[in-house]
Amino acid sequence: GAVVSQHPSWVICKSGTSVKIECRSLDFQATTMFWYRQFPKQSLMLMATSNEGSKATYEQGVEKDKFLINHASLTLSTLTVTSAHPEDSSFYICSATGGGPGYTFGSGTRLTVV
Amino acid sequence: QKEVEQNSGPLSVPEGAIASLNCTYSDRGSQSFFWYRQYSGKSPELIMSIYSNGDKEDGRFTAQLNKASQYVSLLIRDSQPSDSATYLCAVGPGNTPLVFGKGTRLSVIA
Repeated sequence: GAVVSQHPSWVICKSGTSVKIECRSLDFQATTMFWYRQFPKQSLMLMATSNEGSKATYEQGVEKDKFLINHASLTLSTLTVTSAHPEDSSFYICSATGGGPGYTFGSGTRLTVV
Repeated sequence: QKEVEQNSGPLSVPEGAIASLNCTYSDRGSQSFFWYRQYSGKSPELIMSIYSNGDKEDGRFTAQLNKASQYVSLLIRDSQPSDSATYLCAVGPGNTPLVFGKGTRLSVIA
């Protein structure tokens, strides 16, 4: 079946640094990619939607200058958390359409900012 | 505001019983409906999709859709401890992003 590879699976960074999370669709072209954030025991929160070659559409309350999304090709999308702070610590998950019904999710990245 | 409502649970069922998970949605124009399973600390995985009224069965899972009542459910037969997870209902209005419910936590007790 369709697979979205997400890396890294976990990362610890110092406050003020930037972290890049990468998602690749391995066996299909991802028409649209979505980025979610999930805090412990809470629901998925959609952060942004990106289409290949276009600027991402951010949900209300998500800072586009802090969470940089690049969808440079039909198989690759990246999320960069800039100037990370402890409150950005969360589980970040990408998902893609084009790989079958619904969304195909990446395995997630657990970010801890110390 | 498109909404998808689920009972947060936890829903506790004994091993071997039928677990029934329910979901209601607000957008009558919704066309596609999905159930995802999410284990703690992991990302969601698709377990069922349904697009037309009625029942759809896949192994121990049955999805039921009633568009008139704006209701979709998931039945898990012969529940196993490994089914213990959070189940997310997702509804697709079309070309806009899927709307996810907050999930129902299922606990299957051995």
